[in-house]
Amino acid sequence: GESVGLHLPTLSVQEGDNSIINCAYSNSASDYFIWYKQESGKGPQFIIDIRSNMDKRQGQRVTVLLNKTVKHLSLQIAATQPGDSAVYFCAENISFGNEKLTFGTGTRLTIIP
Amino acid sequence: GAVVSQHPSWVICKSGTSVKIECRSLDFQATTMFWYRQFPKQSLMLMATSNEGSKATYEQGVEKDKFLINHASLTLSTLTVTSAHPEDSSFYICSARPSDRPQETQYFGPGTRLLVL
Repeated sequence: GESVGLHLPTLSVQEGDNSIINCAYSNSASDYFIWYKQESGKGPQFIIDIRSNMDKRQGQRVTVLLNKTVKHLSLQIAATQPGDSAVYFCAENISFGNEKLTFGTGTRLTIIP
Repeated sequence: GAVVSQHPSWVICKSGTSVKIECRSLDFQATTMFWYRQFPKQSLMLMATSNEGSKATYEQGVEKDKFLINHASLTLSTLTVTSAHPEDSSFYICSARPSDRPQETQYFGPGTRLLVL
């Protein structure tokens, strides 16, 4: 049957400020991690990825940090804009090429104008 | 680019009927596609891995006879929800990874919202 609905963690940030979204992943064997953005009623959109041999990777306005010791992943969004409002998911992959992704619970980011 | 489409984008059906959802990779070929289900305010849960020319691989707890998957070509996978019931109402999302670019991640379709009355 259908699972009981869970309340998504939420984060509200003033427009122009920086935001940090955190994710605790589950499998210490995971070696590839991705952040996705999902707007209401749409599919996930790729933001940035990182391999386990790195601890930081930067994109345009976004930075992903990986701490393998505590199995923690974070997404930093700089100078947030209203269009950044969405649900953000981290996903892990045990072996790049294995292809199966396990998604985290997600965080709803709301940008306050 | 790497675009994945789904059809239909939404469907309403009566309980007991079957519904087919298509997933197409528009500008690349994909040996493997994935089907996910997402309930409101929840994360994506992988249902099955669709393999071109062979049987799909289902995740634990997903009934293969209820969720029929066919991957007849390198650009098309279909998911058929057979004898749908209200509890099957959900957001179904597919993804695909370019076969000739294994270093790239999966690209997701826009999703199909299914409502079973």
